[in-house]
Amino acid sequence: KAGVTQTPRYLIKTRGQQVTLSCSPISGHRSVSWYQQTPGQGLQFLFEYFSETQRNKGNFPGRFSGRQFSNSRSEMNVSTLELGDSALYLCASSVDGTSTDTQYFGPGTRLTVL
Amino acid sequence: AQTVTQSQPEMSVQEAETVTLSCTYDTSESDYYLFWYKQPPSRQMILVIRQEAYKQQNATENRFSVNFQKAAKSFSLKISDSQLGDAAMYFCAYRSAFSDRTGNQFYFGTGTSLTVIP
Repeated sequence: KAGVTQTPRYLIKTRGQQVTLSCSPISGHRSVSWYQQTPGQGLQFLFEYFSETQRNKGNFPGRFSGRQFSNSRSEMNVSTLELGDSALYLCASSVDGTSTDTQYFGPGTRLTVL
Repeated sequence: AQTVTQSQPEMSVQEAETVTLSCTYDTSESDYYLFWYKQPPSRQMILVIRQEAYKQQNATENRFSVNFQKAAKSFSLKISDSQLGDAAMYFCAYRSAFSDRTGNQFYFGTGTSLTVIP
């Protein structure tokens, strides 16, 4: 089975632009979660999608949004980029996102905002 | 809110020796799961070991074992017979067992960078 894939792997944007990141979960997985990883803040939860619905959201401004498609692929969008948005964005998929479910992480998208 | 603390930003170990990585957490919940994840340089994060809070027995996966002290809210990872491939950032993580009420996201510690010396 193919693992979680994320595209693109690297991205460079300038302040004020917007960006869309994509995550394809493992086949059969319906839950996709997104995390932001920075050296200063560590790993922080952004949101989780399950069956095309946002089920849970972290403490991030409204500039961060996401969605999930019927094939469980997920996208996250960041509008009006700020320098502090530079980070590694990780997505993780699991079968149904329950507490006992194992989450599998993708390799991440490294976003640099200049 | 749940918090996870890893007080050792960096650790090193000689190849074939044993090393213990520390993790403490804070929660008011009675049931939860604890995890250690490994993130090698420029590679994706993988699950090392998982502990269910209601189980008293410490989890073990080959050379990896945990010392889970629920009362002390401590969850350390022991790596035996360390190998060069164990070099990575290690993250301790907490997840509630009550995902329908509190969400099922991970709360991560800040990580411990492990260096294995040949």
